[in-house]
Amino acid sequence: SQKIEQNSEALNIQEGKTATLTCNYTNYSPAYLQWYRQDPGRGPVFLLLIRENEKEKRKERLKVTFDTTLKQSLFHITASQPADSATYLCALAWVNRDDKIIFGKGTRLHILP
Amino acid sequence: SAVISQKPSRDICQRGTSLTIQCQVDSQVTMMFWYRQQPGQSLTLIATANQGSEATYESGFVIDKFPISRPNLTFSTLTVSNMSPEDSSIYLCSVERVGEQYFGPGTRLTVT
Repeated sequence: SQKIEQNSEALNIQEGKTATLTCNYTNYSPAYLQWYRQDPGRGPVFLLLIRENEKEKRKERLKVTFDTTLKQSLFHITASQPADSATYLCALAWVNRDDKIIFGKGTRLHILP
Repeated sequence: SAVISQKPSRDICQRGTSLTIQCQVDSQVTMMFWYRQQPGQSLTLIATANQGSEATYESGFVIDKFPISRPNLTFSTLTVSNMSPEDSSIYLCSVERVGEQYFGPGTRLTVT
């Protein structure tokens, strides 16, 4: 079965630095991969989607890369701010899975002032 | 985008009782999804609800335990039946728009 691995340990980054989060998966490459932000007591909020034929996607201070050879996606937040502190989830969808999306457990990010 | 509301936002229930969670979307959607998120765990899909047909349940989830209604294209309910402490979790409804998944704020359920 497909597995998604995100670093379960919290990531502490100094304000102003770039935060990089990792999402690894096994078996088949997904049709697309998504990143979400989740704050305590709230539902996940969609951030970015990257398709299997795309290497990189950017949105403001966010950048996502997708390496199907390494079976890995990296999520970068540049010029990080304390307000970026949250849990970040990656989610994958495969073409023949009836639009179902599988989520990772998420990585907690703390931006230290 | 999509704006999704859920009721209740949280509840504390006794073992053996049932709770119905409501989900309202601000516009019509074909499919609505119900997820569960247990503490420290990833989101797990419970079922997919299409209007006018029975919900499709994922492995490990059954209709008798989690009956779902989908009376129209903007509304759905999930019932957690005969609850036990293991059902304590956050329950989220979700819709998809152009590859983006939108979530409601969640219902935090505690079963005592």
